[in-house]
Amino acid sequence: NAGVTQTPKFQVLKTGQSMTLQCAQDMNHNSMYWYRQDPGMGLRLIYYSASEGTTDKGEVPNGYNVSRLNKREFSLRLESAAPSQTSVYFCASSESSANQPQHFGDGTRLSIL
Amino acid sequence: GESVGLHLPTLSVQEGDNSIINCAYSNSASDYFIWYKQESGKGPQFIIDIRSNMDKRQGQRVTVLLNKTVKHLSLQIAATQPGDSAVYFCAENLAGRRALTFGSGTRLQVQP
Repeated sequence: NAGVTQTPKFQVLKTGQSMTLQCAQDMNHNSMYWYRQDPGMGLRLIYYSASEGTTDKGEVPNGYNVSRLNKREFSLRLESAAPSQTSVYFCASSESSANQPQHFGDGTRLSIL
Repeated sequence: GESVGLHLPTLSVQEGDNSIINCAYSNSASDYFIWYKQESGKGPQFIIDIRSNMDKRQGQRVTVLLNKTVKHLSLQIAATQPGDSAVYFCAENLAGRRALTFGSGTRLQVQP
């Protein structure tokens, strides 16, 4: 089982460029999430989708947009990348959004110059 | 691998010893707690969870203890192995919210 698959694994952008990070899960989960992880810190929630057709802001949504394309896929878009968005981005999914373990992909390592 | 956890607290144990990783959570209204393990270059891996109506839950070689009085969560790993070396995160779910809040993590180093 693939679980949660993120693409690309690595990316380097220049300031001002745009990019979409892709995430797909094959566990038939209803809820999906995007986090960022910076050195010495835990994961911080950017956006989440409790169910297909809904999206909500998390702790650090500024500079990002998301699309829940279908039940399997949840993408994260940087419209105009900034150096402060250099981070490791993780996608996760869970059966529901309440009191369920989230299952994570292996991340996208994004550097913005 | 990426430089996750540059300034994390570190617990160093000998192979075969038991490890205890502690976490203080922030909100007395949190009703669900979870522990993750993260190895270098990988995403967080679910270890064990516990709901607020429980004090203790056991898995394979792991036990989670919840003390709601002092808002403290711990993860005990029995007979620690080199493969247990990783960063461990606790996370809490505030009742009524739809997402987890993560702690900053503890690095476990297992000495052979």
